[in-house]
Amino acid sequence: EVHLVESGGGLLQPGRSLRLSCVASGFRFNDYAIHWVRQAPGKGLEWVSGISWGSGTIAYADSVRGRFTISRDNAKNSLYLQMNSVRGEDTALYYCVKSSGWYYFDSWGQGTLVTVSS
Amino acid sequence: QSALTQPPSASGSPGQSVTISCTGTSSDLGGYKYVSWYQQHPDKAPKLMIYEVSKRPSGVPDRFSGSKSGNTASLTVSGLQADDEADYYCSSYAGSNIVVFGGGTKLTVL
Repeated sequence: EVHLVESGGGLLQPGRSLRLSCVASGFRFNDYAIHWVRQAPGKGLEWVSGISWGSGTIAYADSVRGRFTISRDNAKNSLYLQMNSVRGEDTALYYCVKSSGWYYFDSWGQGTLVTVSS
Repeated sequence: QSALTQPPSASGSPGQSVTISCTGTSSDLGGYKYVSWYQQHPDKAPKLMIYEVSKRPSGVPDRFSGSKSGNTASLTVSGLQADDEADYYCSSYAGSNIVVFGGGTKLTVL
């Protein structure tokens, strides 16, 4: 069974940095692209970033490009999201998501909550 | 990277069918056969229901079906059941390895 467990969320002030982590199990991690998708409280889903199995392909939403960095460590079955210069609009539940094709997301974690507030 | 357009709400009675639309542009939804649909119950993680316009993952009932015409995709839920009441989101590939979601549709089973 696929398991994706996110961690690292918390409360931080605007302009600060935070690193999210996701540990995967139940599948061959280094065979799949993994993404971050976020959901602001009471709002819809927003794709944030994705990384291919070997990190050769990386993409970001316009809203985070230049501030967030996605990375992965296949030896540790782990995905990361370095969040810099955070803003209030980055407040959301951040999901780690596995994709079998880059374009769709077949397994989701339970999310880690990031709150940006002064 | 504009969000896809979904109606905020939809409803139907048990046993009936309901269709939820998702509209994009020729640069995203209309340009690719990579439309997906997700179901999200309150306080739960989303669940993949349809991928590549009309394919169903293992375990998803065949009451759920997807289609696309031009810049609009549709999710049809037939034989509505109480447990189908949830939020539904569409998504599409938008080129350059970008994925966009719709704003979501709250489906109410009357």
